[in-house]
Amino acid sequence: NAGVTQTPKFQVLKTGQSMTLQCAQDMNHNSMYWYRQDPGMGLRLIYYSASEGTTDKGEVPNGYNVSRLNKREFSLRLESAAPSQTSVYFCASSEAQVTSYEQYFGPGTRLTVT
Amino acid sequence: AQSVAQPEDQVNVAEGNPLTVKCTYSVSGNPYLFWYVQYPNRGLQFLLKYITGDNLVKGSYGFEAEFNKSQTSFHLKKPSALVSDSALYFCAVRDSISSGSARQLTFGSGTQLTVLP
Repeated sequence: NAGVTQTPKFQVLKTGQSMTLQCAQDMNHNSMYWYRQDPGMGLRLIYYSASEGTTDKGEVPNGYNVSRLNKREFSLRLESAAPSQTSVYFCASSEAQVTSYEQYFGPGTRLTVT
Repeated sequence: AQSVAQPEDQVNVAEGNPLTVKCTYSVSGNPYLFWYVQYPNRGLQFLLKYITGDNLVKGSYGFEAEFNKSQTSFHLKKPSALVSDSALYFCAVRDSISSGSARQLTFGSGTQLTVLP
């Protein structure tokens, strides 16, 4: 099993450009998440999908959109990138059961917006 | 609202000595608590969790954590630190009773652990 995979690993954008970050998991998990990690701030939830066909906003959704394409894939789109979106982005997945709620993370995408 | 505090940005410990990484939390109901570790340029890896039951939880790589309800703490511990334990450690909490996005994990700001040879 590859677990959670993310593409690309690195990306540099100019202000105003758009891009989509891809995420896929092969653990048959119901729930998927997008986080951003900034120094000294831990991880902040951008959007999540509790199950296929549903998406909800997290703590910092402004400037982002998501698509739960199927059970395996959950993409994050920046329509008009801003320097404030320079960050490391992590995708994660989990089962929805209380006893196994831990999340499994991908390797991350390091995004720089100039 | 739920929150997590990791009061120490940096913890240094000598190899072979015991280590403690501190975490306190705030939730409305009963907490579900987690520890994750992040090595440089990698994603987070799950270490251990407390859902219910025994207050002392054992996890991967010899780590353990003690849930203390009265002090609302969930400190991560290891009896004998290794240089390879050097990494960024995150505590996370989830409320057992809230709904919607409030049921998602809230992460602390992280503690950089450095084990000195």
